[in-house]
Amino acid sequence: DAGITQSPRHKVTETGTPVTLRCHQTENHRYMYWYRQDPGHGLRLIHYSYGVKDTDKGEVSDGYSVSRSKTEDFLLTLESATSSQTSVYFCAIKEASGGDTQYFGPGTRLTVL
Amino acid sequence: EDQVTQSPEALRLQEGESSSLNCSYTVSGLRGLFWYRQDPGKGPEFLFTLYSAGEEKEKERLKATLTKKESFLHITAPKPEDSATYLCAVRPYTGGGNKLTFGTGTQLKVEL
Repeated sequence: DAGITQSPRHKVTETGTPVTLRCHQTENHRYMYWYRQDPGHGLRLIHYSYGVKDTDKGEVSDGYSVSRSKTEDFLLTLESATSSQTSVYFCAIKEASGGDTQYFGPGTRLTVL
Repeated sequence: EDQVTQSPEALRLQEGESSSLNCSYTVSGLRGLFWYRQDPGKGPEFLFTLYSAGEEKEKERLKATLTKKESFLHITAPKPEDSATYLCAVRPYTGGGNKLTFGTGTQLKVEL
């Protein structure tokens, strides 16, 4: 357990509404990541952060934005949700103590109707 | 572009029937290869990291091996609790942010 929580765990929303997912960690890790997981695609990186206010895009960043105003929280925002953003979203961290291993949170299942 | 291909997509084993899962990769210089286990409705759980060809790591009934083109996850005498999806990911030397590229996984079911 890497001390990662995600909220909400499940959400159903309508097309065009804004949605924010939260990832919270308790162990002061510098790197945090947002992935989405879809059948046939595996886990794909949306955005990542390498420190407070330091973020960068992943391979599927269109339609998503992120913010990290404090070390422990990494927020993923869908400004105007679309049905193609229905997915399971995972947050991950990389420990600062060395090594490259990422540890994942429990996920958020998002359905956009 | 980095690529990871896992095979088979699904595998059904009888309890005690050993087998191997394959992860073949194309990457511009491999910094690390990672294996994860994922149970339904849960996040991926880290199993192993391999860094260089010839390296092997073991944990209970699982052993991961690495060559220059692929990795194998060997499952010896599996039990029903080994049923899960096994994911492979690679990290190249180039590019910042410790970004991983994942395969689509092998869904393993072990039956009594």
